[in-house]
Amino acid sequence: SQQGEEDPQALSIQEGENATMNCSYKTSINNLQWYRQNSGRGLVHLILIRSNEREKHSGRLRVTLDTSKKSSSLLITASRAADTASYFCATGNAGNMLTFGGGTRLMVKP
Amino acid sequence: DAGITQSPRHKVTETGTPVTLRCHQTENHRYMYWYRQDPGHGLRLIHYSYGVKDTDKGEVSDGYSVSRSKTEDFLLTLESATSSQTSVYFCAISESGGGAFYGYTFGSGTRLTVV
Repeated sequence: SQQGEEDPQALSIQEGENATMNCSYKTSINNLQWYRQNSGRGLVHLILIRSNEREKHSGRLRVTLDTSKKSSSLLITASRAADTASYFCATGNAGNMLTFGGGTRLMVKP
Repeated sequence: DAGITQSPRHKVTETGTPVTLRCHQTENHRYMYWYRQDPGHGLRLIHYSYGVKDTDKGEVSDGYSVSRSKTEDFLLTLESATSSQTSVYFCAISESGGGAFYGYTFGSGTRLTVV
């Protein structure tokens, strides 16, 4: 079963617009991570936010975490065609593994 | 991806045959993971390792076994391949359990087709 569920499953925007993806999870976590996957490639780690953090930035990426609602959001500002990919959230707890959601497919049209 | 390679990249095999996939890392990371990726299911953990000869089962371990005799190599074996094991298999490595500090580094994947 998936711990994280992304919403929406698919998103299509124009270049220059912002893209927002959401992730909800079910059990307590100690960190939440976002990954990007280009077609036919492996996943690439984007950003990690710990359970005691509420917001984190990395370049054009902004991640928020609301542990009371068990949800996170990933915002990509000023999107580019090269941002076209699938984006996955993954949750980590006290164990040794991450649990991944089903992903959001983002298409950025030039 | 730098520091982690999977082999083979593509494989077609027949039902009932054993298949071994290899993951090799040059990062000296303690943790190694095997996931499978299927449409509609995201990534699901098969097995993982937290050290040489130390392994544990994941969510979808039935029909799979693993071995880690060296830090750098983590092998995934399909004991008797079935069509339901047609999938893309990803290996990942991490310095810390659950990628708690630096996240995972993934390999490029092995596309396995069982006919």
